Parts: sequence; structure tokens; C-alpha cells
Amino acid sequence: QQQVKQSPQSLIVQKGGISIINCAYENTAFDYFPWYQQFPGKGPALLIAIRPDVSEKKEGRFTISFNKSAKQFSLHIMDSQPGDSATYFCAASNFNKFYFGSGTKLNVKP
Amino acid sequence: GAGVSQSPSNKVTEKGKDVELRCDPISGHTALYWYRQSLGQGLEFLIYFQGNSAPDKSGLPSDRFSAERTGGSVSTLTIQRTQQEDSAVYLCASSLGVSVITFGSGTRLTVV
Repeated sequence: QQQVKQSPQSLIVQKGGISIINCAYENTAFDYFPWYQQFPGKGPALLIAIRPDVSEKKEGRFTISFNKSAKQFSLHIMDSQPGDSATYFCAASNFNKFYFGSGTKLNVKP
Repeated sequence: GAGVSQSPSNKVTEKGKDVELRCDPISGHTALYWYRQSLGQGLEFLIYFQGNSAPDKSGLPSDRFSAERTGGSVSTLTIQRTQQEDSAVYLCASSLGVSVITFGSGTRLTVV
């Protein structure tokens, strides 16, 4: 059973646009929700993370929106740039065990 | 070291051979994870080590896969009698606390 469901699988956005990636989870015991960014040939790197006691977290152009009642969270990339083109993974964890979504390949067109 | 180090970065092996993949975590990190990433796929959990506790092996796909962590630091993932479906990128990660995990660049395994 997939613990974290991520959509879309791929996304094409024009430079300057907003990229939105969505994730949903089932286990209400999850207490940490990070997003990872992965460039080709590299391991995933932590981008931004949120805990369930807040509904939104913003770091620069990246924002996580969290809806505890709906068990959903999303990543918004404002003013998307070609350098943001990468694969993005959402994750959820509790007790140090991490469950990852299937990934979204983002392509930002110049 | 400054980051999680994995070796080799690439490994080509013949079907049926055994392979060993090495992970050197960030110094002082007590938790160590192995994940597998198949082409264009997500991250599949394999095994998790936390301090001196018994490892969580619930993600190992078959008994051909095993891992050990010596001295609470370096870890080796061993795949015996490799099959073509084992071809993937094997990622190691480590963490100190209960939040941020840091990944290495992975070992790309190709079984021919």
C-alpha cells in the first residue's frame, strides 16, 4: 500500500509561472512532511519541510500548504525558473521512518 | 566527512554475481537508511539502522539482499546472485535527529 500519493507525475510550466505539486497521505501518525529536490545524477536534497501544527510554510519562492483535515499537502514554486527543473519528492515520516511519493518531474520552459 | 559518501558511483556486474555497495554516513549521524530508485520511479525503502537497535529490514525485497552497519558508522549493502531487475540507483542517507535526512549521490547498479 502506497503511504504517500503524489501528483502529477510530470509538469511543464513556463518561466515565471507557478508550479504546484500535490501529495496525500493516510496515516495520521505522520508528524513531519519534507519535500526533496533531485537533479539528474544526484541524490535528493531537502528543499523545505513542515510539521502538522502549521498550515503554511514559506521559504523564498517555495511554499508548503498543509491541510491536516484533508490529509493533503502541496508544494508551490512561485516565479518558476529553468533552474528549478528537477524531480520533486514529497515525503511523510514518523518515528524516523520516511515514506516517499513517486516523484514529479518538473520542466520549466524558458 | 561533509556529506554522505557512497562507493562505487557506478557498478556493472554480470547476472548471478554478488555485489557490495558502501555507504559512509555523515560523522555523528546515528540513523542510516538505504533506498532504491528504479529508472523514473520513486524511492523504495530498503532498510534502516538506528544506533545500536535492531535494523528495520522490512523493505528488503528478497533474501538476496542484506546490509550491515559496522561500528555504528559505515554500512554495506550486499546483493547476492544479482538479477536484471536489481538494476537501479541505490541511495544511502543518514540523519542525526528525527527530521532531516541527507542523501548521498547513489550507486548506479547495472546487471547485464
